[in-house]
Amino acid sequence: SQELEQSPQSLIVQEGKNLTINCTSSKTLYGLYWYKQKYGEGLIFLMMLQKGGEEKSHEKITAKLDEKKQQSSLHITASQPSHAGIYLCGADMGSNDYKLSFGAGTTVTVRA
Amino acid sequence: DAGVIQSPRHEVTEMGQEVTLRCKPISGHDYLFWYRQTMMRGLELLIYFNNNVPIDDSGMPEDRFSAKMPNASFSTLKIQPSEPRDSAVYFCASAGWVGNEQFFGPGTRLTVL
Repeated sequence: SQELEQSPQSLIVQEGKNLTINCTSSKTLYGLYWYKQKYGEGLIFLMMLQKGGEEKSHEKITAKLDEKKQQSSLHITASQPSHAGIYLCGADMGSNDYKLSFGAGTTVTVRA
Repeated sequence: DAGVIQSPRHEVTEMGQEVTLRCKPISGHDYLFWYRQTMMRGLELLIYFNNNVPIDDSGMPEDRFSAKMPNASFSTLKIQPSEPRDSAVYFCASAGWVGNEQFFGPGTRLTVL
């Protein structure tokens, strides 16, 4: 979706290193959802953010939503091979319904 | 719960044939979504239902596509006639309420020759 820009498109990281993925919109995000997808499989829900400045963490993954609610970042600390996959951000753009727009995804490769 | 169930997982058909994809949402979820994922266009919402009623079908590409939800535990997405450009992975997802995360099924990989 052009409404949500994800960067980078792909990245390769050495095992044990940190990585950050960004998701940016020109519109206010009323709900921001991070998902992970492995090739040939469905999307696995990671985290949801709704409030400006909100930050959530689960294991080694931290997601933040900026105060203006137009940008979110996903940070992985000390990456492991299990973190490899495609990360997608999805957002409720405030259209008074429950439609989510998704970014194009970021492909993460973790090298041992 | 077994999660969202989709069938078939893979479908290969010839152009012009009818294709029916099936989805069983998580029990108790009021929302059901159909998405299509391609390399070129990413993940796109086709249609979604609330309490078995279609709410928004603006993402359905053309009249060849139709979706139904006859009851709370079953939905179908039908393509008739199918075309090669319909080749994609089709996902079904369900959610309990507005703002809740959507749970995705494993997808159906459709190839139209």
